[in-house]
Amino acid sequence: AQSVTQLDSQVPVFEEAPVELRCNYSSSVSVYLFWYVQYPNQGLQLLLKYLSGSTLVKGINGFEAEFNKSQTSFHLRKPSVHISDTAEYFCAVDGIGGYQKVTFGTGTKLQVIP
Amino acid sequence: EAGVAQSPRYKIIEKRQSVAFWCNPISGHATLYWYQQILGQGPKLLIQFQNNGVVDDSQLPKDRFSAERLKGVDSTLKIQPAKLEDSAVYLCASSTGVIGGYTFGSGTRLTVV
Repeated sequence: AQSVTQLDSQVPVFEEAPVELRCNYSSSVSVYLFWYVQYPNQGLQLLLKYLSGSTLVKGINGFEAEFNKSQTSFHLRKPSVHISDTAEYFCAVDGIGGYQKVTFGTGTKLQVIP
Repeated sequence: EAGVAQSPRYKIIEKRQSVAFWCNPISGHATLYWYQQILGQGPKLLIQFQNNGVVDDSQLPKDRFSAERLKGVDSTLKIQPAKLEDSAVYLCASSTGVIGGYTFGSGTRLTVV
C-alpha cells in the first residue's frame, strides 16, 4: 500500500518570491515520485519525476524537487514564481514493481499574488 | 501527437439517472486509466485497463459503475444510477507503460442534482 500527504491545501505567495510545496509519502516498497500541475478546467500535466539517480530533479517551468529517502519527502520548489504558476499541484507515488499505478495526494493550491 | 480525448466536457443529470463518459487514448497506448476527482481531493483510481483487460478495479463501486474498453482502444465509463456523491471530474489517462508516462485528458465534469 502507498499513500501521499500534502499538508498544505493552499499556499499564497507573492510574485517573484520563492515557494516550496511539501509532499511526504508512505510505501512498503521503493517508489517512483511525481509532481503534476492542474490548471483550471484542464487535465493533469507532468511537471517532473524521480525514478533513480540524482535526488535533485529538474522539471518544466523552472520547478525542481528533491527526493529525501530518510524523511520520505519529495518537496517541490521554485526560486521565483510567476502569476502563470497559479494552479493546483499534486504529488504522486508509484510503487516499483507490478503494473504502473499512480496514487495522488490531495493537492496544494498555489496562489500567486501580484 | 493528439492527446487523450474525452467527451462530454460537462454533464448535469438528476440523481438516479444514468450517464456515460467516453475516452479515446493516445494511439498505441496500451494502458488506460479512469480516475475520479472530487472537488478538493486528489484523483482516485477507479479502473485500469491493460489493452482490453482489467488490471485493477478494486476501487470501482461495481454496484453502480461499469467500464469497458472494446478492442483495447476507446473506453466508456458508465454510472447507473447516479448519486449526489458521484459529482466529480472524471479523468481518463493513457500510458505506454513507461514510468511516469501518463497523459491525461481534460476530464468530464459531472454534476448530479
